[in-house]
Amino acid sequence: GDSVTQMEGPVTLSEEAFLTINCTYTATGYPSLFWYVQYPGEGLQLLLKATKADDKGSNKGFEATYRKETTSFHLEKGSVQVSDSAVYFCALTLSRGGTYKYIFGTGTRLKVLA
Amino acid sequence: ETGVTQTPRHLVMGMTNKKSLKCEQHLGHNAMYWYKQSAKKPLELMFVYSLEERVENNSVPSRFSPECPNSSHLFLHLHTLQPEDSALYLCASSQDPNAASGGGRRDTQYFGPGTRLTVL
Repeated sequence: GDSVTQMEGPVTLSEEAFLTINCTYTATGYPSLFWYVQYPGEGLQLLLKATKADDKGSNKGFEATYRKETTSFHLEKGSVQVSDSAVYFCALTLSRGGTYKYIFGTGTRLKVLA
Repeated sequence: ETGVTQTPRHLVMGMTNKKSLKCEQHLGHNAMYWYKQSAKKPLELMFVYSLEERVENNSVPSRFSPECPNSSHLFLHLHTLQPEDSALYLCASSQDPNAASGGGRRDTQYFGPGTRLTVL
């Protein structure tokens, strides 16, 4: 079935370190891919998205490229800050027989130390 | 601020109580959703409303009853809950460009801050 798999956390980094959070998906058809971020005590916020193969989503220094050949959408940031500490969710949406599926990963907690 | 508000932010209730969660979106969207977020589990989609009509119900127990009186408001009525129902309940909204025809894609979802529910 359709699914999203992302690396388990927590991920602990020092400030200014390079970040990669892996995400792979299983889906037939052409899903849209998303990264959402959840700060403590808040709901999910869209961080970036890509709607077709080879698209790159970017926002706030974060980037992810839609790789259909490897079914991946890894999140990267060149230099993390303490304020990036949050839980990051990889997700996809796709259409199935007239209905819509929304599938989220389990989330990866990121902790950035000063 | 995402344009989606939820009240209350925290709720503690006994198993025999009846309570309601409220969600309001100020984005002019026509689709709204309820999710359940439990620790160490994927986000679970519970209900989907498009143009105030329920279009998806993912095998949710009948002790959860949604209501969508208009495109800006969504409620989740709770009764005789179980302790395992304790979780963060998130509301989301999106714009469905083809809601009338049932086709198209509901793309980006905008989430509220959630209601932290504890069932004793």
